[in-house]
Amino acid sequence: DSGVTQTPKHLITATGQRVTLRCSPRSGDLSVYWYQQSLDQGLQFLIHYYNGEERAKGNILERFSAQQFPDLHSELNLSSLELGDSALYFCASSAGQGWQPQHFGDGTRLSIL
Amino acid sequence: GQQVMQIPQYQHVQEGEDFTTYCNSSTTLSNIQWYKQRPGGHPVFLIQLVKSGEVKKQKRLTFQFGEAKKNSSLHITATQTTDVGTYFCAGPGGANNLFFGTGTRLTVIP
Repeated sequence: DSGVTQTPKHLITATGQRVTLRCSPRSGDLSVYWYQQSLDQGLQFLIHYYNGEERAKGNILERFSAQQFPDLHSELNLSSLELGDSALYFCASSAGQGWQPQHFGDGTRLSIL
Repeated sequence: GQQVMQIPQYQHVQEGEDFTTYCNSSTTLSNIQWYKQRPGGHPVFLIQLVKSGEVKKQKRLTFQFGEAKKNSSLHITATQTTDVGTYFCAGPGGANNLFFGTGTRLTVIP
C-alpha cells in the first residue's frame, strides 16, 4: 500500500462530458503529481503541485486543469472529453518539492464511450 | 526534445535466466530513476542513480549509470515469476518534470 488514494477507480463516461479525478497524497507528502498512461504513449507527465502551488506543467491539454487544496489533496479536471482521453490516470506524491514522484496511487481508469 | 528509449520493448525469459533492460537518452542526464509496474498495478519506485558510472544493487537487481550519464541498465539475475512486469527508466525532462522511458515488459515463463 503506497498510501496514495485515488478515486474513483473506474470512470465510464461519454464524449463531451467533464469528470473530476481525486487524489489524496501519502500522509506527510506535500507534492502531488499527475500522470497519464495510455497504451500507445506510455507514462506522460501532466502536472506537479507542491504545497498548493503549481511547480511544473507537462503535456497537459488546455481542456485539463488541476489544483491542490489546503489539505493537500488534489483534483484533476478533464473537460470536453474525447475518445483519446481514455487512459489510466495516476497520481503520485513525495515529501519534497523535487520532480521525482516516490509513491504512486492505484490510478483511475477512464473510459470514454 | 527529451527522448528516453528503452530496449528491448518486450522480453520473455525462462525462470532462472538473467534479464537486462537498457535505457538510452538523447541528452546527458543529471540522474536517472527506475520503476517497476506489475500487470494491472501502479509504478513502484526502485532506485535513483546520480553519479557517473554508479552501480547499485538490490538483491538480484543491479543498476548501472553510464560513464557519460546518457545510458543506464537494469540487470536481474536468475529471474523469478515475481519479477514479471514493466520496467521503466525515467530522467529529468524539461521544466522540472520526470520523463519516463518507453518501458520493457518482462514475462517470466515458469
